[in-house]
Amino acid sequence: DAGITQSPRHKVTETGTPVTLRCHQTENHRYMYWYRQDPGHGLRLIHYSYGVKDTDKGEVSDGYSVSRSKTEDFLLTLESATSSQTSVYFCAISDDPGLAGEDTQYFGPGTRLTVL
Amino acid sequence: AQKVTQAQTEISVVEKEDVTLDCVYETRDTTYYLFWYKQPPSGELVFLIRRNSFDEQNEISGRYSWNFQKSTSSFNFTITASQVVDSAVYFCALSPYSGTYKYIFGTGTRLKVLA
Repeated sequence: DAGITQSPRHKVTETGTPVTLRCHQTENHRYMYWYRQDPGHGLRLIHYSYGVKDTDKGEVSDGYSVSRSKTEDFLLTLESATSSQTSVYFCAISDDPGLAGEDTQYFGPGTRLTVL
Repeated sequence: AQKVTQAQTEISVVEKEDVTLDCVYETRDTTYYLFWYKQPPSGELVFLIRRNSFDEQNEISGRYSWNFQKSTSSFNFTITASQVVDSAVYFCALSPYSGTYKYIFGTGTRLKVLA
């Protein structure tokens, strides 16, 4: 199994409070991703990173920011949490696809976030 | 547009039955990758298979098999002789080879295998 951890695993917070989720990898992979999983939507990409300090938006980036100051850590921040951000958040990693373009993503265990 | 459709929201079968999970995709890219992931009740996402668009050979891994047909834009997943441990949500995903390595996931199919 890929070495990916997420913290916290569960969090309950109140509307309007800031929340930071952490993804940590021990695989030295270049790419890291944050997804949210909601019923009826599958997994949707929030933000991703293609290197230290290199990030880009995904499909549902509004209300979220990310930072990557080290290869192994990718942080997802909700500046002011809303009830619509109640979800399960997954981090994923993948190695540099190289010429073959092979980019299998491996997922962390997930964080269940509830915003009251 | 890039899209993955898993039309079967939930399937229930009795143990030992065979079951096929459907996945239909849309992309204009000629090079792309298709994936299947399993999400058991414990919640983690487990990688099952990757297939690139130039390889249409079917693949078999134990009780699992995958049928990739570019003509119908489908990448279906069959479990033979299903077991209770196969109960999970299964996701199909598409990764267009466009340099961004973003996945487009289907909405998943929940498989319930009854003893």
